[in-house]
Amino acid sequence: AQKITQTQPGMFVQEKEAVTLDCTYDTSDPSYGLFWYKQPSSGEMIFLIYQGSYDQQNATEGRYSLNFQKARKSANLVISASQLGDSAMYFCAMREGRNSGYALNFGKGTSLLVTP
Amino acid sequence: NAGVTQTPKFQVLKTGQSMTLQCAQDMNHEYMSWYRQDPGMGLRLIHYSVGAGITDQGEVPNGYNVSRSTTEDFPLRLLSAAPSQTSVYFCASSPASGLERAKPQYFGPGTRLTVL
Repeated sequence: AQKITQTQPGMFVQEKEAVTLDCTYDTSDPSYGLFWYKQPSSGEMIFLIYQGSYDQQNATEGRYSLNFQKARKSANLVISASQLGDSAMYFCAMREGRNSGYALNFGKGTSLLVTP
Repeated sequence: NAGVTQTPKFQVLKTGQSMTLQCAQDMNHEYMSWYRQDPGMGLRLIHYSVGAGITDQGEVPNGYNVSRSTTEDFPLRLLSAAPSQTSVYFCASSPASGLERAKPQYFGPGTRLTVL
């Protein structure tokens, strides 16, 4: 069963606007972590933001914030004030507890295009 | 501090050939892993290691071997290359103990492998 679901294969946003990239997850482990990575066209995987399952507040890192709704099992990435350099693939990933070997389960990604 | 390094960056093999993808990290991370990325599939875990001498299978281990003789190195061996193994391969590392599991995985730049 798919553990991470990203339902938006592609998204467009105008420069300086905010955009939300959706991510839902499935786990029965009470302890887990949720991550977002950015993959530009150059191919490297860049860590953006982390949210722990026990964190009471939504994570923020500069222009990135994570809208964490635990009951809905969603962890949406919000990018504020989009820039042309934000055009990339974005992957949501989950890390469960020790029994899974700390592996990351990735979604299939959302391609974001920022237009002038 | 080079982070996670991978060699080679590109490789073309013929069906049936064997080769080793190299991965090294200088952050003293216990946890290392190999992923493959195929179009539309996100990243899928091949093998992982939680420390020297300890390895385990991920989601798609068939056709690959790993070993972990040192903390720094985690090579991936293709025993008899097949066209289905054409992919981009990423190595990643992170701390693995206690609360450090909340830390992100840091990825190498990737190896683009084509099997003819």
